[in-house]
Amino acid sequence: GESVGLHLPTLSVQEGDNSIINCAYSNSASDYFIWYKQESGKGPQFIIDIRSNMDKRQGQRVTVLLNKTVKHLSLQIAATQPGDSAVYFCAENKGGGYQKVTFGTGTKLQVIP
Amino acid sequence: EPEVTQTPSHQVTQMGQEVILRCVPISNHLYFYWYRQILGQKVEFLVSFYNNEISEKSEIFDDQFSVERPDGSNFTLKIRSTKLEDSAMYFCASSETVLVGGEQFFGPGTRLTVL
Repeated sequence: GESVGLHLPTLSVQEGDNSIINCAYSNSASDYFIWYKQESGKGPQFIIDIRSNMDKRQGQRVTVLLNKTVKHLSLQIAATQPGDSAVYFCAENKGGGYQKVTFGTGTKLQVIP
Repeated sequence: EPEVTQTPSHQVTQMGQEVILRCVPISNHLYFYWYRQILGQKVEFLVSFYNNEISEKSEIFDDQFSVERPDGSNFTLKIRSTKLEDSAMYFCASSETVLVGGEQFFGPGTRLTVL
């Protein structure tokens, strides 16, 4: 069955350092992954996505890595800022008519000034 | 920048009462969704809606739940007889497409508290 889960519930990082948030999934058929950021009192906000035919994708200060062999993906945030403090969810969406996004349990990122 | 809006931001109701949560999706979007998030837990899919009908729903979305697009702008979630366990944040989302890469934009949520 579908399962998207995170390794750590809380991650504390010094401001300016790089952050790495990890996620494991169990469904080998998963073909599209998304990282969402959720700030307190707000809805999930899209950060970056990656398709299963890629192993790396870069955005502004963020990079997502996908390792299909071990069914693992990670979100790297460069030069972490206080505004990056939030809960980060990895999620899966199959697309192609499968519309639901399946979320993982979330990692809370705390940036220490 | 266009955004999904939701009203009310907080709804308090008595167990057994009906509630209607309202959403205004982004205007050119065609696909609409409801998710919920129980406090401290992950976001869970409830239902997706396209062309005035439900296209996919989860096991959570039982007969107590219904969705409607009553006009060209609103999208509502109705819970007929609320239970204590319905207390959660409810998020509406919309997307332009369901193809891979079709980003779902989420609203700020409605916090439902059932007493």
